[in-house]
Amino acid sequence: DAGVIQSPRHEVTEMGQEVTLRCKLISGHNSLFWYRQTMMRGLELLIYFNNNVPIDDSGMPEDRFSAKMPNASFSTLKIQPSEPRDSAVYFCASSLGAGGLGEQFFGPGTRLTVL
Amino acid sequence: GESVGLHLPTLSVQEGDNSIINCAYSNSASDYFIWYKQESGKGPQFIIDIRSNMDKRQGQRVTVLLNKTVKHLSLQIAATQPGDSAVYFCAETTRSNQFYFGTGTSLTVIP
Repeated sequence: DAGVIQSPRHEVTEMGQEVTLRCKLISGHNSLFWYRQTMMRGLELLIYFNNNVPIDDSGMPEDRFSAKMPNASFSTLKIQPSEPRDSAVYFCASSLGAGGLGEQFFGPGTRLTVL
Repeated sequence: GESVGLHLPTLSVQEGDNSIINCAYSNSASDYFIWYKQESGKGPQFIIDIRSNMDKRQGQRVTVLLNKTVKHLSLQIAATQPGDSAVYFCAETTRSNQFYFGTGTSLTVIP
């Protein structure tokens, strides 16, 4: 298995534009996590899904952020409209267990720069 | 102006020495813990885990110790190598399936 796949790896956009980050889970995993990492705030959990259902979205900053799992192996994180303060590295992770139980396998991340 | 950010605890060790990275947790309901390693430009990677019914668990060159009395977790790396230079995170999961990552400790191995 290729591991968790994220695309794009780098994204540079202008303030106000819509940004869509994509994640493909490891086959057979049933939990999906989106994280954001910045120097200011460290690693923050944004949202996680179990069996395609959002379980905890309390970390989603505001309504500009939305995440979906259209199927069991794929997820998107959308920011609309984007702002400079959204600049960060966004990681997707998947695991076999529910919630924080079990090892989470992280993707390589998407480095987002909003100008 | 000077930027303000997280001030990660840092640890510098000589190659070949043992490293000890510490983590304090506050939630007495936490019963499962993981250590992750994050190298520059990469996502965190699982190192070792431990459940609250254990005090110690060993892996290859790594040992995790759990002291539930003082809510303290440590990661010991034996014979530290330059490839061990990274940021190390502890993560805790509660019985109600909430989980949290620590802020991380930056380890630098001096050749």
